[in-house]
Amino acid sequence: EAGVVQSPRYKIIEKKQPVAFWCNPISGHNTLYWYLQNLGQGPELLIRYENEEAVDDSQLPKDRFSAERLKGVDSTLKIQPAELGDSAVYLCASSLHRGIDTQYFGPGTRLTVL
Amino acid sequence: AQSVTQLGSHVSVSEGALVLLRCNYSSSVPPYLFWYVQYPNQGLQLLLKYTSAATLVKGINGFEAEFKKSETSFHLTKPSAHMSDAAEYFCAVSDSFGNQFYFGTGTSLTVIP
Repeated sequence: EAGVVQSPRYKIIEKKQPVAFWCNPISGHNTLYWYLQNLGQGPELLIRYENEEAVDDSQLPKDRFSAERLKGVDSTLKIQPAELGDSAVYLCASSLHRGIDTQYFGPGTRLTVL
Repeated sequence: AQSVTQLGSHVSVSEGALVLLRCNYSSSVPPYLFWYVQYPNQGLQLLLKYTSAATLVKGINGFEAEFKKSETSFHLTKPSAHMSDAAEYFCAVSDSFGNQFYFGTGTSLTVIP
């Protein structure tokens, strides 16, 4: 069974530039999560999808961040414009359903904003 | 609201020694508790989870954790450390619906040969 796939693995951009991250969850998983992980910290939830509906986006900085999950499968997280403080690892995870179902994590995208 | 506190951002043990990683939780509802492991440049992997069944939970790679309500703790243990256990470990808490899922700040485990 293929795991959660994320691309790119690494991205270096200059501040004020746009950037996008892509996530392909495990086949059949209805719930998809995007997390932000700063260096030396635990992951922090940005947004959670149930199929194609964003059901928890309270921690997503909506002035510059946006996300979509078309057809309830793949998802894209975008930042526009990027700021220096956005440098972090962006993790995608999926689970069969919400709740206490195990979350399976992708390897993450490491973003560096110069 | 839920939160977790991991005591000790860095723990070092000798190979073959007991591993003890501490996690205390705060929750206004019966919590569900998790331990995840993260190896360098990889995503997180579930070690074990407590979902209100048995208080002693056994996970993968010989790890186990005990839910102690009186101490609001969910410490992770392994009787004998292996070099391959060196990684970052995260404790997490959720309500039963998964509506609030919070990770701790992590504990980096070093295993000394």
